[in-house]
Amino acid sequence: ETGVTQTPRHLVMGMTNKKSLKCEQHLGHNAMYWYKQSAKKPLELMFVYSLEERVENNSVPSRFSPECPNSSHLFLHLHTLQPEDSALYLCASSQALGGNTIYFGEGSWLTVV
Amino acid sequence: TQLLEQSPQFLSIQEGENLTVYCNSSSVFSSLQWYRQEPGEGPVLLVTVVTGGEVKKLKRLTFQFGDARKDSSLHITAAQTGDTGLYLCAGAHNFNKFYFGSGTKLNVKP
Repeated sequence: ETGVTQTPRHLVMGMTNKKSLKCEQHLGHNAMYWYKQSAKKPLELMFVYSLEERVENNSVPSRFSPECPNSSHLFLHLHTLQPEDSALYLCASSQALGGNTIYFGEGSWLTVV
Repeated sequence: TQLLEQSPQFLSIQEGENLTVYCNSSSVFSSLQWYRQEPGEGPVLLVTVVTGGEVKKLKRLTFQFGDARKDSSLHITAAQTGDTGLYLCAGAHNFNKFYFGSGTKLNVKP
């Protein structure tokens, strides 16, 4: 139990579907992150939020749309995805931007068919 | 190019053996973390090192941060099958950025 909870753990969606991934952190942290992990690739940072404000968007396609309604919750809205978007999507949080350590959730396995 | 290089990429050893994995960079990091990740799960934090030259021990695991804060090593003594997993290092750099290595995949055989 890392204090960062992701749902769903597994998701299969068609290329025309719209779905969302949810992340909740119970650590009182102010910064939250979305990472993508594909086979044989290092973790790729997608988005960074600090105090509900997006501070980084690493050239992520617009078919991925993040939302941070408060400092405890982070969503990743998905629409018209491609099969190559299939991956493990990891949410993480840290006490603040520039904090020493980030803590990960268990991840959401996404398969696009 | 990868900011953090981990070596070796793969390591397969027998239970009871010792091993060391490395995390190297030409950049200086304010802190460095080691994580262990099992298939289908998120990375779990093992340790954070902050001070150059720092050594931290966690049971059979020994972590060292290089004097110049550019590199780190993880040594496991008497490996067990439960140590099997992907070991990731991550460096905190330039305010909000955490850079990850591509990992060392360790397999400990019974």
